[in-house]
Amino acid sequence: EVQLVESGGGLVQPGGSLRLSCAASAFTFSSYWMSWVRQAPGKGLEWVANINEDGSQIYYVDSVKGRFTISRDNAMNSLYLQMNSLRAEDTAFYYCARMPYGSGTIDYWGQGTLVSVSS
Amino acid sequence: DIQVTQSPSSLSASVGDRVTITCRASQGIANFLAWFQQIPGKAPKSLIYAASNLRGGVPSRFSGSGSGTDFTLTISSLQPEDFATYYCQQYYTYPRTFGQGTKVEVK
Repeated sequence: EVQLVESGGGLVQPGGSLRLSCAASAFTFSSYWMSWVRQAPGKGLEWVANINEDGSQIYYVDSVKGRFTISRDNAMNSLYLQMNSLRAEDTAFYYCARMPYGSGTIDYWGQGTLVSVSS
Repeated sequence: DIQVTQSPSSLSASVGDRVTITCRASQGIANFLAWFQQIPGKAPKSLIYAASNLRGGVPSRFSGSGSGTDFTLTISSLQPEDFATYYCQQYYTYPRTFGQGTKVEVK
């Protein structure tokens, strides 16, 4: 069964940094685009970033450009989101998600990890 | 950016009801639209891609239709496990954008 397990969330002060990880299993990780999607508590879903199979194509929502970096380690079957210069409005559940080749959209989601930005 | 507007934002329905949710894109997106279901406290689940294709394991009471700017998600006979919030997402271009969600509640 496909599994995506996020970790690394927590409480951080405004201006701080956090690195999220997503451990993938039960599928050939290196063959899939991957995505981060976030959801502020009680709010809707917001796409954050996509990365292609080898990391050569990366896209971000404007609100995180220059502050967040998506990356992957195919040898470790892991996806990452480095978050710098965090703001209160970055407070959200962050979901890791898989996108099948050629589909452009998500088929499996992780369970999410909560990032809280507060002083 | 392409705006995606769902309607209604919430609805009340009973088990067995036929439920329809609409999603309108601010410009044409062909059939690059997906639907997701989220039960409170849980991660989203993928239901439909390419406007009308069911993901594996999704019950056949769910269906999607539309192309261009107007799309619908239909649940033919609402079941207790279907009470949830539903989101559409366009993946025609970047940034990917979601609708604001439609909460399906018990009448």
